[in-house]
Amino acid sequence: AQTVTQSQPEMSVQEAETVTLSCTYDTSENNYYLFWYKQPPSRQMILVIRQEAYKQQNATENRFSVNFQKAAKSFSLKISDSQLGDTAMYFCAFMKHESGTASKLTFGTGTRLQVTL
Amino acid sequence: NAGVTQTPKFQVLKTGQSMTLQCAQDMNHEYMSWYRQDPGMGLRLIHYSVGAGITDQGEVPNGYNVSRSTTEDFPLRLLSAAPSQTSVYFCASSYSRYRAIMSEAFFGQGTRLTVV
Repeated sequence: AQTVTQSQPEMSVQEAETVTLSCTYDTSENNYYLFWYKQPPSRQMILVIRQEAYKQQNATENRFSVNFQKAAKSFSLKISDSQLGDTAMYFCAFMKHESGTASKLTFGTGTRLQVTL
Repeated sequence: NAGVTQTPKFQVLKTGQSMTLQCAQDMNHEYMSWYRQDPGMGLRLIHYSVGAGITDQGEVPNGYNVSRSTTEDFPLRLLSAAPSQTSVYFCASSYSRYRAIMSEAFFGQGTRLTVV
C-alpha cells in the first residue's frame, strides 16, 4: 500500500513571495504519477500539476513547479509570485501507473496555505 | 460539457435514514470513484469502478453501496446513515481508452453530508 505524507498542516506566505510545500510518499512501485491538487474555499478540487515518475525533468505550470526526487520519494510544490487567489488547501496525491488504477488516488492530509498582503 | 456533476450539494440526514448521492459525468470516462474528505485525513477512497458493471471497494467501504449500470452514472448509497458518515463526499472520473495518456481525475463539487 502507498502512503503520502504532508508534514506542514498550515503555511503562510506574503503576496509576491515564493513558498514551497512538502510531500513525501512511500511505495514499492516503480511507475506512478504524482499530483498536486488545490482546494479553494469553494471546495472544488483543481489539478495544479502532474509528474510522471519515469520523467526526470521536473514539471512546471506557469508559477507552479515541482521538485521531484524519486530516490528520496519526495515531491515538493513551489509557488512563485504568490497571489491572493492561491489561498487554498493543497493536497499531494499518488497514483500507480497501471491499467485500472486511474480511479484510485492516495492523498496526503493537506497543507492549508494562506497568502497575505 | 458539464464535467462531473454531483447532487445534492448539501444534505442533513437522521441516524438510520438512507439516501443516494448522485454522480454523473459527460466526458465518456471509464473510471469513476467516490472519496470522503474528513478534517485532518485528506481524501479517502470509498468505492471505485473501472467500467459499467464493474465496481470494487476502496479504503473505507463499510456502510456504502455502489452500482455502475451506465458509463455516465455512479451513485453512492448510504444504507443506514450513522454520525460517523458525516463528511464531504467527492465523486471523480478519469481516463478514457481514447486518450493516449492516463488522465488526471476530475472531481465534482462535493456533497456536504451531516448525519444527526
